[in-house]
Amino acid sequence: EVELVESGGGSVKPGGSLRLSCAASGFTFTNAWMSWVRQAPGKGLEWVGRIMSEADGGTTDYAAPVRGRITISRDDAKNTLYLQMNSLKTDDTAVYYCASSGSYTYYFESWGLGALVTVSS
Amino acid sequence: EIVMTQSPATLSVSPGEGATLSCRASQSINSNLAWYQQKPGQAPRLLIYAASTRATGIPARFSGSGSGTEFTLTISSLQSEDVAVYYCQQYGHWYTFGQGTKLEI
Repeated sequence: EVELVESGGGSVKPGGSLRLSCAASGFTFTNAWMSWVRQAPGKGLEWVGRIMSEADGGTTDYAAPVRGRITISRDDAKNTLYLQMNSLKTDDTAVYYCASSGSYTYYFESWGLGALVTVSS
Repeated sequence: EIVMTQSPATLSVSPGEGATLSCRASQSINSNLAWYQQKPGQAPRLLIYAASTRATGIPARFSGSGSGTEFTLTISSLQSEDVAVYYCQQYGHWYTFGQGTKLEI
């Protein structure tokens, strides 16, 4: 059974940093493209960024609102995805989901339960 | 950026009835469209991809259609467990989601 479990959420002041992790199991993590998608309280879904599999180049891409402030990385030996967030703003307050895709399939096959990040002074 | 517009915002139906949810893309995305179901307090779940292909384990009462800019999710014989917000998502050019349709029964 596919399982994605996010951790590392919490409260941080504007301008602060936070790193989320997503532990994956039940599928071949090495082959998966992994994304982060966020959902502000009471709002819809917003794609944050993606990392391809190493076999497909390991390229990272980011949405415009977060580009330059976040870094997505992966450790295939640990089946873990990371989201490093810096210079956080109040608008970054959201539940952050990790989601998996197949190679070049793009849609999100599986989702984690999410981690809440609250940015507030 | 491709903008996805869903309608209606809220849909109220009776158990056993059918429901039709619409999604429009601001430019053609061919069939690069997925539908997700998000129940209260839960993560989204993939229902449909490639506009009309049901994901693994999704009941046959869920069906998708459309291509280009106009897409539809049809749910036949609604059940109480179908109460959720439904999102469409395009993946033809990066990723953008619609604002969601809340389905009430």
